[in-house]
Amino acid sequence: DSGVTQTPKHLITATGQRVTLRCSPRSGDLSVYWYQQSLDQGLQFLIQYYNGEERAKGNILERFSAQQFPDLHSELNLSSLELGDSALYFCASSPRTSGRKTGELFFGEGSRLTVL
Amino acid sequence: AQSVTQLGSHVSVSEGALVLLRCNYSSSVPPYLFWYVQYPNQGLQLLLKYTTGATLVKGINGFEAEFKKSETSFHLTKPSAHMSDAAEYFCAVTRSDSNYQLIWGAGTKLIIKP
Repeated sequence: DSGVTQTPKHLITATGQRVTLRCSPRSGDLSVYWYQQSLDQGLQFLIQYYNGEERAKGNILERFSAQQFPDLHSELNLSSLELGDSALYFCASSPRTSGRKTGELFFGEGSRLTVL
Repeated sequence: AQSVTQLGSHVSVSEGALVLLRCNYSSSVPPYLFWYVQYPNQGLQLLLKYTTGATLVKGINGFEAEFKKSETSFHLTKPSAHMSDAAEYFCAVTRSDSNYQLIWGAGTKLIIKP
């Protein structure tokens, strides 16, 4: 158990719909990362938040948005869903570091989104 | 641009045989290096990492990797494969401009033959 919790584990929805994926990082971790994993694209970094603020953006579509709340949980919002958005969405958190940063990530078990 | 190359999207070995998964990176600055493993229907978990110090690092489940700066490689090995090692393995390195950002390889699926 990594300590990172993601809900829901599975989600089936239709094209054009909107969904919200939720992530609770490990206790004490300030950074949250969102990744998308699909068969054709592999593991793609979407976005990172640190202590409530956006820190880095990756290949995140404009239809997608995220935020991190004061209690450090994060939500990834996916709207106007298309068939190609079907994928596993992972959340990861990284440890607070007072000194050297190592880039180590702890992943949740993912939310599997199926768009029909 | 930095990149991580994992040679072979699928590697098949017999149970008890040597496992060798290859990872090469391109970076102007020696990065931190990681191997993550993803078992079926699970998230990724850290197998091992190299930050500084000894270039041969040991991880969980009997895996180890050696950082070779001159070859820009970080290959993952295990002397004797077990059926439970069947999984997908990802190599990742830190970006040269941010130790919080990782650049990922495409992954190698390890298949263990009985």
